[in-house]
Amino acid sequence: AQSVTQLDSHVSVSEGTPVLLRCNYSSSYSPSLFWYVQHPNKGLQLLLKYTSAATLVKGINGFEAEFKKSETSFHLTKPSAHMSDAAEYFCVTSSSNTGKLIFGQGTTLQVKP
Amino acid sequence: DGGITQSPKYLFRKEGQNVTLSCEQNLNHDAMYWYRQDPGQGLRLIYYSQIVNDFQKGDIAEGYSVSREKKESFPLTVTSAQKNPTAFYLCASSTQGAWTEAFFGQGTRLTVV
Repeated sequence: AQSVTQLDSHVSVSEGTPVLLRCNYSSSYSPSLFWYVQHPNKGLQLLLKYTSAATLVKGINGFEAEFKKSETSFHLTKPSAHMSDAAEYFCVTSSSNTGKLIFGQGTTLQVKP
Repeated sequence: DGGITQSPKYLFRKEGQNVTLSCEQNLNHDAMYWYRQDPGQGLRLIYYSQIVNDFQKGDIAEGYSVSREKKESFPLTVTSAQKNPTAFYLCASSTQGAWTEAFFGQGTRLTVV
C-alpha cells in the first residue's frame, strides 16, 4: 500500500537560511507526490507536485523538491527561509486505485528572526 | 473565480445537536472529500465521493453523514453520535485519477459548547 512518512515533526530555521523538509514514500510503482502548505486556521495550498515528467520539481514561493527513486524520497527545499514560510507542511501521495490522497503527519516549520 | 467554498468558518454546537457543514465547488470536479484535522495530527478522511449520488466511508466515518445530490455540493452532517466533534474540518475536490492534485476550502472550525 502507498504511504508517505515525514521524518521530522518540527523543523526550526533562522530567516535567510536553507529549509529542508524530509519525506519518504512507499509505493510499488511510480507514485504521484505532492507538497502542501497550511497556514494557521487556513486550508491547504499546493506548493508543487511530481508527475514523473522531471525529477526536480519547482513550486511556488521558491520551493522545490527532488524525486529520488533510489532513496524513495521527495524532500522539500528552499534556499532561503522567510518569516512567511512558517506553517505546517504536508507530504502527500495519491492512491492509484481511487485517487484518494494519503497524507503524511505534517512538519511544522518555525522561522526565527 | 473558480474555487471551493466552505461555510460557515466557525460553528458552535450544543451537545446532542446535529450540524451541517457546507462545501461548494465550481471547478467542475467529480471527486470531493471531507477531512478532519485535530491539533498536532494530520488529516483524516471522513467521507469521499467520486461521482454524484455515490460516496464511500473514509477512515473515521462513524458519527458523520454526507450526501452528493449535485456535482457542486458535498455537505457534511456531524451527528449527535459523534462523541468528540470539536475539530477543524476541511473539504477538498479534485478531478479523477491519481495524478491530480486536490483543491481545499478554507475550513470550518466546529466547537461543542
